[in-house]
Amino acid sequence: QKEVEQNSGPLSVPEGAIASLNCTYSDRGSQSFFWYRQYSGKSPELIMSIYSNGDKEDGRFTAQLNKASQYVSLLIRDSQPSDSATYLCAVNNYGQNFVFGPGTRLSVLP
Amino acid sequence: EAGVAQSPRYKIIEKRQSVAFWCNPISGHATLYWYQQILGQGPKLLIQFQNNGVVDDSQLPKDRFSAERLKGVDSTLKIQPAKLEDSAVYLCASSSPASADYEQYFGPGTRLTVT
Repeated sequence: QKEVEQNSGPLSVPEGAIASLNCTYSDRGSQSFFWYRQYSGKSPELIMSIYSNGDKEDGRFTAQLNKASQYVSLLIRDSQPSDSATYLCAVNNYGQNFVFGPGTRLSVLP
Repeated sequence: EAGVAQSPRYKIIEKRQSVAFWCNPISGHATLYWYQQILGQGPKLLIQFQNNGVVDDSQLPKDRFSAERLKGVDSTLKIQPAKLEDSAVYLCASSSPASADYEQYFGPGTRLTVT
């Protein structure tokens, strides 16, 4: 059974701080990695995707991938109260075998 | 560009009844997914279509769940008969084969309550 693990949280950070969200996965064949944000009562919204080892930056968000360690992370710089949500990590293997983690609840305190 | 459409948004049924959900993907998106998300958990893939063919239905409880995607556009997911544990949000997502990252875009979901 392919698994994706995340710390369920809640992770609390003060406004303006860096939030660090982590994810590990079991399937070494995984090729694509995604971070989704889900507000309470809403559907998941794509934040970033990452393919290759290293960092990928988009605005205040940076995704980091280390395939050797089977680890992917999301950094949120200058966290805002509007970033308070559940963050879902997802992995797949060339468009198949999509698996989502349980999500980490982030709370940004004003 | 219109997003993924789903209906109904909410449904309440009694156990052993039947229910159907409808999804219309983003125009041009050949791949369509149905997920089940139980409260407090991540989405679980039920079935993945590429055009009107099934790519992955390994986690679909086939004794009670069925799905179809006629003509490779709209899709319906049916539960018959429903059980209490089917209470969840059913999410439809789509992606374009042109997106090498297989990025999925989700619809608003259908919240099912089985009593």
